[in-house]
Amino acid sequence: KAGVTQTPRYLIKTRGQQVTLSCSPISGHRSVSWYQQTPGQGLQFLFEYFSETQRNKGNFPGRFSGRQFSNSRSEMNVSTLELGDSALYLCASGGEAINYGYTFGSGTRLTVV
Amino acid sequence: AQSVTQLGSHVSVSEGALVLLRCNYSSSVPPYLFWYVQYPNQGLQLLLKYTTGATLVKGINGFEAEFKKSETSFHLTKPSAHMSDAAEYFCAVSDQTGANNLFFGTGTRLTVIP
Repeated sequence: KAGVTQTPRYLIKTRGQQVTLSCSPISGHRSVSWYQQTPGQGLQFLFEYFSETQRNKGNFPGRFSGRQFSNSRSEMNVSTLELGDSALYLCASGGEAINYGYTFGSGTRLTVV
Repeated sequence: AQSVTQLGSHVSVSEGALVLLRCNYSSSVPPYLFWYVQYPNQGLQLLLKYTTGATLVKGINGFEAEFKKSETSFHLTKPSAHMSDAAEYFCAVSDQTGANNLFFGTGTRLTVIP
């Protein structure tokens, strides 16, 4: 079956702009989580959506937001981009409970200049 | 709160040698434990997981890990390294409270020497 699809793969934005990243989970998966990966901070949890509801949120500023649609596809938005937002953003698809494990997409590499 | 410590940011082994990547966790409740592998320019791939039951867990590509509650450890091993094992490995922990997020270690980069 198809894996987790993240688009776009690469993105270059200017400071102050906003950006929207997309994630299509594995068919049948209703949980979508987002993680930020940077060399300095490692992998950090942003938020998780399940059946269009945000179930959990990490410690990120309000500039980071997300949503999930009825078909389980999710988008993540970052407003007023800062240089420090440059990172690999990973989407993870899963079932109702975490003990099933998550399947990750290949990520979107965001560069802010 | 949960946290993960991975000892050794870089590990080098010879091809055919034992691979041992160390992971210690901190959790106030019984944990779920995971190992993921990341190849360059790719996402994370689940190698194996421990949730309940047998403490020795076998995963893909010949890897296995043992959950040792007394040592709060979940070390990853493979008897014989292959060149294709060169990658970055992440240990992660979650808990059973229903908060469905993972806390990752800082990763261990494995180099396999031919």
